[in-house]
Amino acid sequence: DIQMTQSPSSLSASVGDRVTITCRASQSMSSYLNWYQQKPGKAPKLLIYAASSLQSGVPSRFSGSGSGTDFTLTISSLQPEDFATYYCQQSYSTLYTFGQGTKLEIK
Amino acid sequence: EVQLVESGGGLVQPGGSLRLSCAASGFTFSSYAMHWVRQAPGKGLEYVSAISSNGGITYYANSVKGRFTISRDNSKNTLYLQMGSLRAEDMAVYYCAREDGGAAAFFDYWGQGTLVTVSS
Repeated sequence: DIQMTQSPSSLSASVGDRVTITCRASQSMSSYLNWYQQKPGKAPKLLIYAASSLQSGVPSRFSGSGSGTDFTLTISSLQPEDFATYYCQQSYSTLYTFGQGTKLEIK
Repeated sequence: EVQLVESGGGLVQPGGSLRLSCAASGFTFSSYAMHWVRQAPGKGLEYVSAISSNGGITYYANSVKGRFTISRDNSKNTLYLQMGSLRAEDMAVYYCAREDGGAAAFFDYWGQGTLVTVSS
């Protein structure tokens, strides 16, 4: 199975900050990488697919980049509704494993 | 409107069994692969199982292989997860999710989740 490692595990930031979350895969996987946002008590929501494609309806302050083993999710200017937990997911191999999550908290 | 609604969760004793259901509506269910993902209390997302659109191909995480069975009934637009030999570590909210994107697979719709509690 492909192992996904996110960093940092938690992050404190302020409204308006630029934030970057990193996801590293245990093997090369082209651009088969997705990002989800999850708020407490809710199901995950797709933000970015195929490493850099923005899901319909997702604000353009979210962006993704990377290929191979290293990927990033960037939020260009944090809004109050962005404080949540973020997960990467690989869809290169059949068991679509997730990273351990990054909890984004208000500073 | 696409909807996925899980049901069947509840309290079960260690070693017991439970069947989860995921009722789909608002799309052609038989055209999509479907997945189960779980989340233990206060923990991250864990991938559980997948089934192809026609039910002919299934995949399982090592943690549930041999104990869980995924299936679907395309005539009823319903996905199932039969869980057996349940352990404390299986306690979680279980989500069903629809796969889209072709080769660049992603989960574009999720259910609200159903809680499975394993305790004596």
